[in-house]
Amino acid sequence: NAGVTQTPKFQVLKTGQSMTLQCAQDMNHNSMYWYRQDPGMGLRLIYYSASEGTTDKGEVPNGYNVSRLNKREFSLRLESAAPSQTSVYFCAGSLETSGRNTQYFGPGTRLTVL
Amino acid sequence: EDQVTQSPEALRLQEGESSSLNCSYTVSGLRGLFWYRQDPGKGPEFLFTLYSAGEEKEKERLKATLTKKESFLHITAPKPEDSATYLCAVRILSGGYNKLIFGAGTRLAVHP
Repeated sequence: NAGVTQTPKFQVLKTGQSMTLQCAQDMNHNSMYWYRQDPGMGLRLIYYSASEGTTDKGEVPNGYNVSRLNKREFSLRLESAAPSQTSVYFCAGSLETSGRNTQYFGPGTRLTVL
Repeated sequence: EDQVTQSPEALRLQEGESSSLNCSYTVSGLRGLFWYRQDPGKGPEFLFTLYSAGEEKEKERLKATLTKKESFLHITAPKPEDSATYLCAVRILSGGYNKLIFGAGTRLAVHP
C-alpha cells in the first residue's frame, strides 16, 4: 500500500516549456486534489476532482489543467511554464464519507521554472 | 474573508521544554480543523482532526484542543525528533465542495 505517489520528485523547466505532473493513489479515495506550496504561504488549492470524471477549479487555477484519468490517477499539466509557477506541488486524496474526510498527501514535486 | 493564522512562525525549544502552537481562524461554518506535520522535503502527514469546540485529541507527546475561535497544539516534553513544521487547516463548505484553508505553519526546532 503506497498511499499517494507523485512523479517526478524534481523538475527544472525553461519558460514556455510544458510538462505533466503525475499522481496516483491506492487508498480508494474518491476525491483528489492538487496544491502548491510557496514560502511563507499556506498550501493553496489549484484544482480538485470530487469523483472520477469530474474536475473543478480551486483557488489558483490559472496556467494549469488537470485530468482525472481514472479513480486512481489525477494529473496536473502546465502548458507553458512561467517563473511564477516555481513551487512545490502536492497531490492529495480523500474518501468523502458522511461529511467527514481526511486528506492524505503525496511526497511532492519540486518544480523550478527558469 | 475566511482566514487561518498560525503563531508563532518559528519556535525554538530545548528538549523537555513544553510549549503550545496556536491556530486562530475566522471562517463561517467550520466543518473540521486539521493538524498536519511536515518534515523538510516531505508531504504533510496527518495528525489530528477536531470537529467541535471542547474536543481534544492526543498522540504521544502531542495534544490538540479546539475552541470556537482557535486551536492549540500542545507539545509536552518535546524531543529533537519532534522538530518539523506543523500545519493547521480548517474545512469549510465553499462553492459546493469541502475546501481546506491552510495556515502558513509553525516551524518547530527542538534542541538537545
